[in-house]
Amino acid sequence: GAVVSQHPSRVICKSGTSVKIECRSLDFQATTMFWYRQFPKQSLMLMATSNEGSKATYEQGVEKDKFLINHASLTLSTLTVTSAHPEDSSFYICSAVGQVGSGYTFGSGTRLTVV
Amino acid sequence: AQSVSQHNHHVILSEAASLELGCNYSYGGTVNLFWYVQYPGQHLQLLLKYFSGDPLVKGIKGFEAEFIKSKFSFNLRKPSVQWSDTAEYFCAVNPTGTASKLTFGTGTRLQVTL
Repeated sequence: GAVVSQHPSRVICKSGTSVKIECRSLDFQATTMFWYRQFPKQSLMLMATSNEGSKATYEQGVEKDKFLINHASLTLSTLTVTSAHPEDSSFYICSAVGQVGSGYTFGSGTRLTVV
Repeated sequence: AQSVSQHNHHVILSEAASLELGCNYSYGGTVNLFWYVQYPGQHLQLLLKYFSGDPLVKGIKGFEAEFIKSKFSFNLRKPSVQWSDTAEYFCAVNPTGTASKLTFGTGTRLQVTL
């Protein structure tokens, strides 16, 4: 079945630094990728939708300059948390969709801790 | 915009008990419906989905869900739970015909005791 690889699985960074999270579709071309944030014991909140070759669409309240999303190819999307602060500590999950009707495949998530 | 409600936040059951988790959605058009499971420390996995056709959908691991259009509901059921079913369960919807964003419910934590 479809597999999405997300790296790193865990990252600890200092406040003020930037962190890049990668999301790769391994055996299919992902026309659309979604980035979610999950707080402890809460649901997934969509941050942005990215389509290959175009700018990401951010949900209301998500700072596009802070959470930079790049979807440069049909198999790779990256989320860069810039100038990270402790309040950015969270679990970030990507999801990829191939052709319409093919369903959503989720990455294993990245636990970001900003100290 | 669509929204999803899961009223059971934390459910504790003994092994072999029957399970029903509620999911209600709000949206003005037709939707696709999903149930995902997240085992401790693991990523989201699809349990089952409904796009069209038979409103009773069977998924993996003995789970099923019934779409009741009149009630805007898509409740998840399992006749006899196992300890290994302990996990977080999420209901999600998106408008039909598009690879659009999924809207998730707040999740239900299921704890199955031996």
